[in-house]
Amino acid sequence: QSVLTQPPSASGTPGQTVSISCSGSNSNIGRNYVYWYQQFPGTAPKLLMYSNNQRPSGVPDRFSGSKSGTSASLAISGLRSEDEADYYCTAWDDSLNGYVFGTGTTVTVL
Amino acid sequence: QVKLVQSGSELKKPGSSVKISCKASGYSFGNNAITWVRQAPGQGLQWMGWMNSNTGKSLYAQGFTGRLVFSLDTSTGTAFVQISSLKSDDTAMYYCARVAIAGVPDDEVYVFDPWGQGTLVTVSS
Repeated sequence: QSVLTQPPSASGTPGQTVSISCSGSNSNIGRNYVYWYQQFPGTAPKLLMYSNNQRPSGVPDRFSGSKSGTSASLAISGLRSEDEADYYCTAWDDSLNGYVFGTGTTVTVL
Repeated sequence: QVKLVQSGSELKKPGSSVKISCKASGYSFGNNAITWVRQAPGQGLQWMGWMNSNTGKSLYAQGFTGRLVFSLDTSTGTAFVQISSLKSDDTAMYYCARVAIAGVPDDEVYVFDPWGQGTLVTVSS
């Protein structure tokens, strides 16, 4: 069961900015870093963002992350058709002593 | 190139067990833990736990304790997860991933990178 809450879907036209929220609690996002993973249909997830706002090598700077209190967000600017995918946030949960994932958000480029 | 290759799909009956393998290459296997994540059909990701490839110590996610066993074969660089007392709810794609270190000194974090291609386990009578 998911402990972090995300909107089920988000959409935009090419070039627009789309933001995805990730809501947690003091035991996870409130105290720990947030990570984001991108998953295309039928493939394994891929690391997209770590430590709230750090991009791994190879991830375009169109992707940005932020965190405030017990919530985090991922923004995709200059939206492109290849950004259509599912996006998951995750964080360590001190109460559960493990990682918890978000419910996932499907991004559609209209 | 770091790569994780998982074993093939499994069809199991309720109450039985399954053992999935994850063969690592392209890095020193003992330097990183392996984590396991599952995804039920059409659902989100669920963390199952991880195993330190150097020490052999495991941490299992709550809700799985007692039915999961992580293991390693360091001679082949392969990690395994065995799930017992399978239920229909265990039908899912199971992924392994390397637990890598990211970030700068004094602020290093664990990330799951890369992931295996996934192993589909179907539990059905």
